[in-house]
Amino acid sequence: AQSVTQLGSHVSVSEGALVLLRCNYSSSVPPYLFWYVQYPNQGLQLLLKYTTGATLVKGINGFEAEFKKSETSFHLTKPSAHMSDAAEYFCAAEYGNKLVFGAGTILRVKS
Amino acid sequence: DAMVIQNPRYQVTQFGKPVTLSCSQTLNHNVMYWYQQKSSQAPKLLFHYYDKDFNNEADTPDNFQSRRPNTSFCFLDIRSPGLGDAAMYLCATSRGGQGFNEQFFGPGTRLTVL
Repeated sequence: AQSVTQLGSHVSVSEGALVLLRCNYSSSVPPYLFWYVQYPNQGLQLLLKYTTGATLVKGINGFEAEFKKSETSFHLTKPSAHMSDAAEYFCAAEYGNKLVFGAGTILRVKS
Repeated sequence: DAMVIQNPRYQVTQFGKPVTLSCSQTLNHNVMYWYQQKSSQAPKLLFHYYDKDFNNEADTPDNFQSRRPNTSFCFLDIRSPGLGDAAMYLCATSRGGQGFNEQFFGPGTRLTVL
């Protein structure tokens, strides 16, 4: 079965520090890949997506992710964390009109 | 703005009392999905409609049903809610068809079972 793995259920960074959230997918055929953010009691907001083409994808709120086929990875980064980035982040892969989600990473930003 | 709307945002029901959650969309998308998300977990797909075709996930309990009377609306019915059904329920839509299909999510309905 296809799966998405997010390393680290909780990540803590200081305000202004680099944010790195890790995601790996299991598939010999690269799926479409997504990062979503979820704030408490809200739905999922799309941060960015990889379909085809350029492997470095830029999203909203200063986030970006790089697709690396050789590593089956799609890690999310942001150069400088802001307090408003504190939320839960989900990596997802699309396989045939269905999304497979990772378990999520809660990002804490310390002042 | 085109969007996915879920009503109500918060729903409280009693153990065993049927409840219906509503989702509507203005995107004119062919596919509508229902996810269940329990606390600190990833969303779990319950079922989806591709136009009028209903597709149930193998592990979705019979207690959960869905209706899609038209393109715009989709309902989630929980026939006899148990305490374990307390969760956030997310509706999503996508265009459908071959190739890339982004899913657009509603804000969710938080269900509490007393």
